[in-house]
Amino acid sequence: QSALTQPASVSGSPGQSITISCTGTSSDVGGYNYVSWYQQHPGKAPKLMIYDVSNRPSGVSNRFSGSKSGNTASLTISGLQAEDEADYYCCSYTSSSTPVVFGGGTELTVL
Amino acid sequence: QVQLVQSGAEVKKPGASVKVSCKASGYTFTSYYMHWVRQAPGQGLEWMGIINPSGGSTTYAQKFQGRVTMTRDTSTSTVYMELSSLRSEDTAVYYCAREVSSSWTIADYWGQGTLVTVSS
Repeated sequence: QSALTQPASVSGSPGQSITISCTGTSSDVGGYNYVSWYQQHPGKAPKLMIYDVSNRPSGVSNRFSGSKSGNTASLTISGLQAEDEADYYCCSYTSSSTPVVFGGGTELTVL
Repeated sequence: QVQLVQSGAEVKKPGASVKVSCKASGYTFTSYYMHWVRQAPGQGLEWMGIINPSGGSTTYAQKFQGRVTMTRDTSTSTVYMELSSLRSEDTAVYYCAREVSSSWTIADYWGQGTLVTVSS
């Protein structure tokens, strides 16, 4: 099972909005509303930011939002803050023999 | 509060096996599945498999079939991940993570990670 496709890096200035894409197939992202997003700071464990495409866990800032169109899911961060600088990974359920797949990760730089 | 505490770092030789533990506390151990996810140095997250602590059933990523074994001990609320026939490419940080849904994509609590180094 190939990893979902994410851009290697994105950047933005404080206060701006950025969007990270996550492209899969009809067997994963496009076939199910089971896409989640994780934030990982260097040397730390991942943190759940979005689940089921667009839901935020309790305690996650409403500056983080998720959406999906066809085989591509997206994570949008509005009002960028320095603390948002981290790696972001998408994750999807798949119908393959390996039922969970991550994206390759996107490094977000806040300029 | 929910906590997942993993065992310490390991150094293994190629061909050996490693067994990493993850002790859960702060919730009903048998009510939530547990993932194992690894991350090689400078690389992304890789899903290895999942175990149901209630009955012990497992689902492994195809890549690790035949080399990984996930078990649990309900008396100590601990899950284990054993990886055999280690090679240098298995050098990574291994995480356990609690799953809260039937979609297997919502991991709300993660262990601190265990670094496994494979080197001759």
